[in-house]
Amino acid sequence: QSALTQPASVSGSPGQSITISCTGTSSDVGSYSLVSWYQQYPGKVPKLMIYEVTKRPSGVSNRFSGSKSDNTASLTISGLQAEDEADYYCCSFATGSTWVFGGGTKLTVL
Amino acid sequence: EVQLVESGGGLVQPGGSLRLSCAASGFTFRNYWMHWVRQAPGKGLVWVSRINRDGSNTNYADSVKGRFTISRDNAKNTLYLQLNSLRAEDTSVYYCTRDWNSCLGDWGQGTLVTVSS
Repeated sequence: QSALTQPASVSGSPGQSITISCTGTSSDVGSYSLVSWYQQYPGKVPKLMIYEVTKRPSGVSNRFSGSKSDNTASLTISGLQAEDEADYYCCSFATGSTWVFGGGTKLTVL
Repeated sequence: EVQLVESGGGLVQPGGSLRLSCAASGFTFRNYWMHWVRQAPGKGLVWVSRINRDGSNTNYADSVKGRFTISRDNAKNTLYLQLNSLRAEDTSVYYCTRDWNSCLGDWGQGTLVTVSS
């Protein structure tokens, strides 16, 4: 049950696109299409942004998209806006019916 | 509207115990798997445990296995987490979450557990 690997921080300017990677193993990301992404503002509750690798819950902007290749999942935010500045976490279902999070990525909008 | 309200957190000494509760409303509680997730101050999210709809199947993170017990009372629409043999590293905000398509769809506001002497 090792945590998924995310970059500690990423940054981008308004209007640009950024991608956050999430690397796991064949026991989690590589074997299941059950990767989700969460946005968390400081002091606030996490919010589901992407589920089942690519799907967006109702109400989530289509500027957010997800993908997966082998053991690595990715979250892309296009048309970056100041309000996107937050922490982002990936999560995957894993062997043994457990779930594992990534360490989190701090997104800074320059 | 889905509501998840955690309670039961507080200050406890190392080796002590605590029981967290999560009162659910706004949905048919017995139809959903439920999870607990925790977050240490200034740190990332960590999945803790999951329970199926009728409480017959549970799973735990290795870090809490044998010390924590998840349970539910569908008649009371309430999820529980029994925390035993607490350690300083268990200090966290504990979130109750509703499973949705095998991810964590809805979250409570969390309850803070502080383990310190």
